[in-house]
Amino acid sequence: QSVLTQPPSASGTPGQRVTISCSGSFSNIGSNYVYWYQQLPGTAPKLLTYRNTERPSGVPDRFSGSKSGTSASLAISGLRSEDEADYHCAAWDDNLSGWVFGGGTKLTVL
Amino acid sequence: EVHLVESGGGLAQPGRSLRLSCTGSGFTLGDYGLSWVRQAPGKGLEWVGLIRSEAYGGTTEYAASVEGRFTISRDDSKSIAYLQLNSLKTEDTAVYYCTRFVMFSWSPDTAYSDYWGQGTLVTVSS
Repeated sequence: QSVLTQPPSASGTPGQRVTISCSGSFSNIGSNYVYWYQQLPGTAPKLLTYRNTERPSGVPDRFSGSKSGTSASLAISGLRSEDEADYHCAAWDDNLSGWVFGGGTKLTVL
Repeated sequence: EVHLVESGGGLAQPGRSLRLSCTGSGFTLGDYGLSWVRQAPGKGLEWVGLIRSEAYGGTTEYAASVEGRFTISRDDSKSIAYLQLNSLKTEDTAVYYCTRFVMFSWSPDTAYSDYWGQGTLVTVSS
């Protein structure tokens, strides 16, 4: 059972906008930054957003992160077939004194 | 270009030990913290532990599930970090990823993993 809660799956058609949610508590999302990682099939995770809303260089602006209270979201606009991947949210947890992850959301592009 | 390469995975019996290595290139390993994250087959990501850079004391933090069994160390002169896995359990079976951990202070609450290695598979089975 993951500390952060994500829907196990999401889907959309090319060009659509999809949103993936990540729910936590005051000790993690409510008090610390949220990070999103993209994991393409058979590969290592790649940093998509950091510090809630920032994007590393090279990440398209189609990907955007947001946070409100104890929840966070990753929005993907202009959906493409290559966006089909697992998406993981993460945050530091003050009570556990460690990083916690969501269970991951498998995004399917129909 | 930043690269992290893990090695040392394989099959181990319950109760035995393994040592994983993580070799960094394209950056100065000593300037960064390093964190290990694992992923059991078909499951989500689980944080294992971290080691701070020497600038922040080179100290370690571990997840409760591995505290006392796993040890992270580093040799910055060789650009290598290690994860020593002792008293292995079947539930330790996973792909283990080494990540570069960007730290802004001694406290890891504002730090994050930016680059990940390709991972090495550890299978614990009798």
